[in-house]
Amino acid sequence: EVQLLESGGGLVQPGGSLRLSCAASGFTFSSFGMSWVRQAPGKGLEWVSSIIPVGDSAYYADSVKGRFTISRDNSKNTLFLQMNTLRAEDTAVYHCAKGVGVSPRNALDIWGQGTMVTVSS
Amino acid sequence: EIVLMQSPGTLSLSPGEGATLSCRASQSVSSSYLAWYQQKPGQAPRLLIYGASSRATGIPDRFSGSGSGTDFTLTISRLEPEDSAVYHCQQYDISPWTFGQGTKVEIK
Repeated sequence: EVQLLESGGGLVQPGGSLRLSCAASGFTFSSFGMSWVRQAPGKGLEWVSSIIPVGDSAYYADSVKGRFTISRDNSKNTLFLQMNTLRAEDTAVYHCAKGVGVSPRNALDIWGQGTMVTVSS
Repeated sequence: EIVLMQSPGTLSLSPGEGATLSCRASQSVSSSYLAWYQQKPGQAPRLLIYGASSRATGIPDRFSGSGSGTDFTLTISRLEPEDSAVYHCQQYDISPWTFGQGTKVEIK
């Protein structure tokens, strides 16, 4: 079964850091682009970041550029999102998602259930 | 960035009826790079349509997508109770990839 399972969310103070992980199974992880998409409580979806299969090109939304870093370990079928200098407006459920193909210019055909990140003092 | 406006905000229909959901872009989007997702409460989004009109694997043919340029449509024919959900459009043509605010479909 194709599956994505996120972990690492939690409560963090403003200015703090968190590292999210996404464990992939059921497909050849190293062959697909991967993304993070977040959804603030009661709001719509917001694309956060994408990374190509070999991991040497990454893309970010302006709202997180310079604060978040996406990476992947293809040997462990795992996607990461390092989040630094967190702000209240980063509070959201963070989903990892698999692209249909290699390029970040692809629809997202498999999504994880998400992990909640709450930034509050 | 490309802003996607979805309408209506909420659609309330009876089983068996058809639904037409609109997604309008602030600038032209290549048809190859427009997707629709379904999201039920407490669940992750599910890909329905990619490339504006191609159904994703396992999606029933009651769901169809059309459109080009700045105007795209998701049509759901013969609504079923399980179609109750929020539907999101997304463009992945020009970075940053953006989503619409969603259309909620309620089944009476």
